[in-house]
Amino acid sequence: GNSVTQMEGPVTLSEEAFLTINCTYTATGYPSLFWYVQYPGEGLQLLLKATKADDKGSNKGFEATYRKETTSFHLEKGSVQVSDSAVYFCALSATGNQFYFGTGTSLTVIP
Amino acid sequence: DTAVSQTPKYLVTQMGNDKSIKCEQNLGHDTMYWYKQDSKKFLKIMFSYNNKELIINETVPNRFSPKSPDKAHLNLHINSLELGDSAVYFCASSQYTGTSGSNEQYFGPGTRLTVT
Repeated sequence: GNSVTQMEGPVTLSEEAFLTINCTYTATGYPSLFWYVQYPGEGLQLLLKATKADDKGSNKGFEATYRKETTSFHLEKGSVQVSDSAVYFCALSATGNQFYFGTGTSLTVIP
Repeated sequence: DTAVSQTPKYLVTQMGNDKSIKCEQNLGHDTMYWYKQDSKKFLKIMFSYNNKELIINETVPNRFSPKSPDKAHLNLHINSLELGDSAVYFCASSQYTGTSGSNEQYFGPGTRLTVT
């Protein structure tokens, strides 16, 4: 079946630190992979996506590469800011209309 | 223009009442979803409609009934509300591509339901 496993939080970092949030997946077929971000009190927003193996999605300094050999889509950012404090969700879409979301990773960046 | 909108944003009600949450999307998408997010931020899919047809109906109490009058609207009606129904409910929409599932989902701002 399809599933997403992401690292548990919460994660606390100092401003300008390097961020990695791990995400691995299990899927039938050739899924598309996504990272969503949820700021406090808001809905989820698409952060970046990749639709095939070796694609790199990037946005706002965040990056993730679709690795088929390791079934991973880890989120990285070189220098986090306080404004990056949010909950991050990894997700996949395979055949059919259903999305599969990870459990979310809470990130707090302290000045 | 708001892409996916939900009303109301906050809903406080007593146990046993019946309430509805409305959702509308102006993106021209053919698929809409309802999710429940608990206090630990875990997202659980409840229902999905594609072109007004119910295609995903997860294990959800019968007290929850979705209705899709057209492709742009998906409402959620909840009967006999219970304390455990307190959560944030999100509506989302996407466009089904067929080959690799759907394109990205667009989420509404959420409805925070509190049952007292």
